[in-house]
Amino acid sequence: GNSVTQMEGPVTLSEEAFLTINCTYTATGYPSLFWYVQYPGEGLQLLLKATKADDKGSNKGFEATYRKETTSFHLEKGSVQVSDSAVYFCPDFEYSGGGADGLTFGKGTHLIIQP
Amino acid sequence: ETGVTQSPTHLIKTRGQQVTLRCSSQSGHNTVSWYQQALGQGPQFIFQYYREEENGRGNFPPRFSGLQFPNYSSELNVNALELDDSALYLCASRLGSFENIQYFGAGTRLSVL
Repeated sequence: GNSVTQMEGPVTLSEEAFLTINCTYTATGYPSLFWYVQYPGEGLQLLLKATKADDKGSNKGFEATYRKETTSFHLEKGSVQVSDSAVYFCPDFEYSGGGADGLTFGKGTHLIIQP
Repeated sequence: ETGVTQSPTHLIKTRGQQVTLRCSSQSGHNTVSWYQQALGQGPQFIFQYYREEENGRGNFPPRFSGLQFPNYSSELNVNALELDDSALYLCASRLGSFENIQYFGAGTRLSVL
């Protein structure tokens, strides 16, 4: 089956710093990959996705490229803001025989941006 | 705004009681999943409903049960509440059982005393 490994936090950066949150996967096929974000006191929001190798997802200044050669889907942003402070998740997604099962989440990466 | 709404926002129960949480899916979404998120943890998959039938389940005991209605809204029921059931419960809907993008509600915060 598939598995996803995400770097654990917390990650603390100053405003306008460059951000990278690592996410690597192992898969027998080519699963869809996602980044979700959870702002304090809220549910999860889809931040970006990629469905095949070399796809680049982007949203709100964040980017992630589905890299088959390194089996990675790292989240990057060139200049973070205090409002980016949140928990970021790179979940696993796998189909079962009866249809899509739920996403499998790790603890996420808690990002703290200081002014 | 994901179009998925959950009620109530917060709930306090005592150990041994039963609770029902509700979820209204995004329009046209016939598949709903429920997750439990303990403090400081990632969401854990409870189960999934597709067209009113449960068709996927995580590692949760039978006292966690659900329903999906013809309009695709859904309920999560938890019997014999335990202290460890205190968590944020998230509902996520998607368009079809094989669609891979899930849209989450803001969740219901359950406290068991």
